[in-house]
Amino acid sequence: QVQLQESGPGLVRPSETLSLTCSVSGGSLTSSSYNWGWIRQPPGKRLEWIGSVYHNGSTDYNPSLKGRVTMSADTSKTQFSLNLRSLTAADTALYYCARQWVNSYSEPLLFDPWGRGMLVTVSS
Amino acid sequence: EIVLTQSPGTLSLSPGERATLSCRASQSVRSGFLAWFQQKRGQPPRLLIYGTFTRATGIPDRFSGSRSGTDFTLTITRLEPEDFAIYFCQQYGTSPYTFGQGTNVEI
Repeated sequence: QVQLQESGPGLVRPSETLSLTCSVSGGSLTSSSYNWGWIRQPPGKRLEWIGSVYHNGSTDYNPSLKGRVTMSADTSKTQFSLNLRSLTAADTALYYCARQWVNSYSEPLLFDPWGRGMLVTVSS
Repeated sequence: EIVLTQSPGTLSLSPGERATLSCRASQSVRSGFLAWFQQKRGQPPRLLIYGTFTRATGIPDRFSGSRSGTDFTLTITRLEPEDFAIYFCQQYGTSPYTFGQGTNVEI
């Protein structure tokens, strides 16, 4: 059974870069059946998909983040990462990593399972 | 992007009652690629329904999903005490993938 665990700093200063890692156990990042994604939830707001890194290393990002996002996967460590630049208070959120299913037509699908989430606060 | 609007914001019910949760999409959801999740405080979201209708593994049959055009519904036929939680919908047919704002089912 695959499990995911987020790690990284809980407090980051404005204008800096957030770097989070998701460690995957019980699964392979290179399986064509799955991509790997990041999702966040600011306090009191709805969930927001940040982006996904595909099993072949390509990526898909939410345009709302305006080019501030980079995601990558380290298959040797079964980890994937998120870098979010130019942070503001609006980036304060609970950050989740999740596995994204892929169907037989290579279409990205839903996210399941999810990690437990990690609270990141942007403050000076 | 596709905006998902859930209603009501809060649903106050008792165990044994029926819960009907709505998720309205601002445009067509490709191939009915809509999922429902349950979330409890301090826990990650739990997948209940995907592809509009299909229950995830281990989900009891009191949970069901349906659709009429761009209106999606999650029905819980007989609420159990463990069902009181927040429920949200998500469309995964079109990137960027989007979520509803959630419905809180409370006692």
